[in-house]
Amino acid sequence: DVKVTQSSRYLVKRTGEKVFLECVQDMDHENMFWYRQDPGLGLRLIYFSYDVKMKEKGDIPEGYSVSREKKERFSLILESASTNQTSMYLCASSFGSGSDNQPQHFGDGTRLSIL
Amino acid sequence: GDSVTQMEGPVTLSEEAFLTINCTYTATGYPSLFWYVQYPGEGLQLLLKATKADDKGSNKGFEATYRKETTSFHLEKGSVQVSDSAVYFCALRPGGAGSYQLTFGKGTKLSVIP
Repeated sequence: DVKVTQSSRYLVKRTGEKVFLECVQDMDHENMFWYRQDPGLGLRLIYFSYDVKMKEKGDIPEGYSVSREKKERFSLILESASTNQTSMYLCASSFGSGSDNQPQHFGDGTRLSIL
Repeated sequence: GDSVTQMEGPVTLSEEAFLTINCTYTATGYPSLFWYVQYPGEGLQLLLKATKADDKGSNKGFEATYRKETTSFHLEKGSVQVSDSAVYFCALRPGGAGSYQLTFGKGTKLSVIP
């Protein structure tokens, strides 16, 4: 069965800290994505990666960076956390080229609070 | 750019009522269309999809038909249950090779009461 695992369900950090959110998928997917979900705004894409060591900015990349050193793992990094980054973060993955009809599979999310 | 507009919630229905959640989109070419569902405390799950005009996606009693002439992909269910209470997201992926990003609507929260 398809599995996308996010390392933490809940996380509390302080302003200015460097924060790492980890995501692992076991489906050999080429593509991986990080979204944030906020009430009234739906899901917004932060970054995505279509291959190891490759990354592309999404709609709201400011204040974030990503790392993809291995195919199965995609990390989201908040370089210096701020209170406006308090949100639900969702990781997703999907197959790549030649699989245009394949959906994205999501993890259960990490609810991050920045104090 | 591409966009998805879905009806504002929340929607509250009694058990066994008929459900419609409207979704319209703006996109060039021939996008693929999806409905995702998010149950409380969980991530998103794919509910159904349609990849070309007039396709009908269906799953768990839910249906949606890809209507290119009206750029719509409305979600319907004939008889909702309490267990259908969740947030529903309409999404599109642009057509063409190399288009992997999804554009989501803002979500519609459904509450079904016994």
